[in-house]
Amino acid sequence: QKEVEQNSGPLSVPEGAIASLNCTYSDRGSQSFFWYRQYSGKSPELIMFIYSNGDKEDGRFTAQLNKASQYVSLLIRDSQPSDSATYLCAVRGAAGNKLTFGGGTRVLVKP
Amino acid sequence: DVKVTQSSRYLVKRTGEKVFLECVQDMDHENMFWYRQDPGLGLRLIYFSYDVKMKEKGDIPEGYSVSREKKERFSLILESASTNQTSMYLCASTSTLGVYNEQFFGPGTRLTVL
Repeated sequence: QKEVEQNSGPLSVPEGAIASLNCTYSDRGSQSFFWYRQYSGKSPELIMFIYSNGDKEDGRFTAQLNKASQYVSLLIRDSQPSDSATYLCAVRGAAGNKLTFGGGTRVLVKP
Repeated sequence: DVKVTQSSRYLVKRTGEKVFLECVQDMDHENMFWYRQDPGLGLRLIYFSYDVKMKEKGDIPEGYSVSREKKERFSLILESASTNQTSMYLCASTSTLGVYNEQFFGPGTRLTVL
């Protein structure tokens, strides 16, 4: 079993709709959770981080964390074609500064 | 702005060659990382370093070594390149301070081993 799991997609959403991405992790001691966006041929860039249970909103993005269920999600509201990318979930464990990445979910926003 | 640079965007080498990939960051970060990224496998950690001259193995260190002689520079070395090391290599750095530790990535080096 992978330590961080994501559905590889592609997740196809119409422009203006909500894209919902899910991520599960196996290490119960995980401390911090990150969502990176990666455009094709580019390196990952951080779009959200969360470390407390509940929701965290930043513009059109909302991260949701449920540590009891070992589950973190990302919602993209009013999806735009420019949101088409691969979204990587990353988890920092109980100790150290290593991140463990999921395989990424490819999102396609269709005009 | 944090800047992480990598020595090459594209590199083509032959099997058996020794390959050096260089990474430099300008934010005085303590921690530096080397990943490889392959389709369907995501980012996998090769090695990381939390201080000068310190290194730790990641999840897939076989066939690789690293060097960190200065805080800002972290080198990945392929002692004898093989075709299965054809991949995208990404360097990242992060500070030790703070509740969360965002990793900042370099632009990547796409290595092809023939």
